[in-house]
This record gives sequence, structure tokens and C-alpha cells, in this order.
Amino acid sequence: EAGVAQSPRYKIIEKRQSVAFWCNPISGHATLYWYQQILGQGPKLLIQFQNNGVVDDSQLPKDRFSAERLKGVDSTLKIQPAKLEDSAVYLCASSPREGLMNTEAFFGQGTRLTVV
Amino acid sequence: AQTVTQSQPEMSVQEAETVTLSCTYDTSESDYYLFWYKQPPSRQMILVIRQEAYKQQNATENRFSVNFQKAAKSFSLKISDSQLGDAAMYFCAYRSGAGSYQLTFGKGTKLSVIP
Repeated sequence: EAGVAQSPRYKIIEKRQSVAFWCNPISGHATLYWYQQILGQGPKLLIQFQNNGVVDDSQLPKDRFSAERLKGVDSTLKIQPAKLEDSAVYLCASSPREGLMNTEAFFGQGTRLTVV
Repeated sequence: AQTVTQSQPEMSVQEAETVTLSCTYDTSESDYYLFWYKQPPSRQMILVIRQEAYKQQNATENRFSVNFQKAAKSFSLKISDSQLGDAAMYFCAYRSGAGSYQLTFGKGTKLSVIP
């Protein structure tokens, strides 16, 4: 079974530029998560999708971050314009379905973003 | 809101020895799950072990076991017969038994294994 795929692995941009990350979850997984992991900290949830609908985006800085999952499969996370404090690893994860109590989240390898 | 605290930023262990990583959490919920994830330099979070709060028996997965103390809100990870491949960041995580099932992570413990 293929895992969660993310691209690119690394990205360096200047502040005020825009950037987009892509995630393809495990086939059949209805729930998709984007986490932000700042150096020295644990991951923090940015947004959670159930199929193509948003379940929780309370911690997403909506003035600069946006995310979509149009067909309920892969997803993109965009930052525009980027700030220095956005430097972090962006992790995508997926799980089979909400409501299954015993499900675990499977993570991709993340995208390391450096804003200079 | 739930919080997860890992008080050991770094730990080291001799190869083949045993090490225990600490985690405490704060919640008012009675139904929840606790996890330990391993994050090697490749950055991919890998599930090590999971504990359901309603189960009194501590979870065990091969060389990995937990000491779950629900009343004390403590969830430590014991790694026995440590191997070089165990070197990584270890994150304790909490997930509610209801709601959005998102994970709340601690800040992590960096484990080094000394040959």
C-alpha cells in the first residue's frame, strides 16, 4: 500500500512570495490533515478535511494560508504572502474515516519550508 | 483544551539498555487515546504504540511498552534492548474520543543511542 505522498520535499522562498504544497493521501482515506511543525516543537494542526469538506480550520491563519481538497482526494496548502515565521515542516496525514474510533493517522515525509 | 507535556528535551541510552521517556497530559475528557510517534531525520512520523484510555492494561509492541497512569495523567514509553535505529525524536500525542480526532502533540524528546 502506497503511503502519503507530499511534494516538494524542500522549498526555499523569499518573504512575501507565495508557495504551494501538495499532498496525496493513502487511497480510500477520507480524512486528511495538514500540520505545521516549527523547529523544536511538535506538529500543530492547521486544517482537517473530511472528504472535500473542512472539519476544523480554527488554527489556520486565514489571512495568508489557504487549503483545498476539491475532489476529496489530494490536497494543496498555499501560503501567500509568506512570512519568516512560516519557516517550518508542513506535514500531511490521512486516516480512513471519521467515526472509526480505533483509526490512526498516517503521515507523509513533509515539506521543509525555509523563508528568507 | 488538551495539553501534552514532555519534560525531557533530550535523552540518551546505551545500546541494548532500557530507557523511559516521560509524558503528562491534561484533559477533562474521560474518553481519549494516547500515542507515541517516532520521527527520524526523514521527518516521517511513525506510530510506535497506542493506548485507549478505557483500557487498564498497558499497551505493548515488541520492545516498546507504556506505563499508563490515568489518574495521574501520565503516559511514559519504555524502550527495552535499545537499538541504534531507535535514535529519533519521540512525540507523545493525545486524541479525543469525540469530535474531530485531531492529534495534540508534545514538544518531543530527542533520543540518542550510544553504541
